[in-house]
Amino acid sequence: EVQLVQSGAEVKKPGESLKISCKGSAYSFTSYWIGWVRQVPGKGLEWMGIIYPGDSDTKYSPSFQGQVTISADKSISTAYLQWSSLRASDTAMYYCARAVAGTWSAFDIWGQGTMVTVSS
Amino acid sequence: QSALTQPASVSGSPGQSITISCTGASSDVGTYNLVSWYQQHPGKAPKLMIYEVSKRPSGVSNRFSSSKSGNTASLTISGLQAEDEADYYCCSYAVWGVFGTGTKVTVL
Repeated sequence: EVQLVQSGAEVKKPGESLKISCKGSAYSFTSYWIGWVRQVPGKGLEWMGIIYPGDSDTKYSPSFQGQVTISADKSISTAYLQWSSLRASDTAMYYCARAVAGTWSAFDIWGQGTMVTVSS
Repeated sequence: QSALTQPASVSGSPGQSITISCTGASSDVGTYNLVSWYQQHPGKAPKLMIYEVSKRPSGVSNRFSSSKSGNTASLTISGLQAEDEADYYCCSYAVWGVFGTGTKVTVL
């Protein structure tokens, strides 16, 4: 079964750094784009960015460019989303999702989500 | 590229059809046939229902259909069922992706 399994919930303080992960299985990890989507509790979905693990080509939404870093380690079929200095406004559920084959415009497989709470 | 505009809520009775609109701009919805639709039940990850305007992934009911005209895409749910009660989001692309504001569908 094709799956994306995300790392567990995190509780951090403002200013701290964080890296969350998304491990793919049962498919060719290097052949599909992987994206990240934010959802603040009670709010809508926000497209953050996307990476092609085969060559690490990455695209960011302007809203998130410079605020987060998306990366991937194809040797362990894992994508990452990281922050260098968290803010309270980063508190949200973060989903990774695999794009439909041959495109990066739709996500057909989703991870279970990682809840990130930033509070002093 | 601002969030695409969707109605906050749409409701219908079982068996009826409802339509959710998704309005963007000529730079995204209007130019690219890359509109997708997602269903999200409370506490769950989103589920892809439609991609590239009108394609349905395997396993998605044919009660879900979509179209596009100009800068507006539309998702139609026919034969509304209780299990269709959820939040629905459209998504489009230009240089990057953007989701719609979301629509809560209520089955009366």
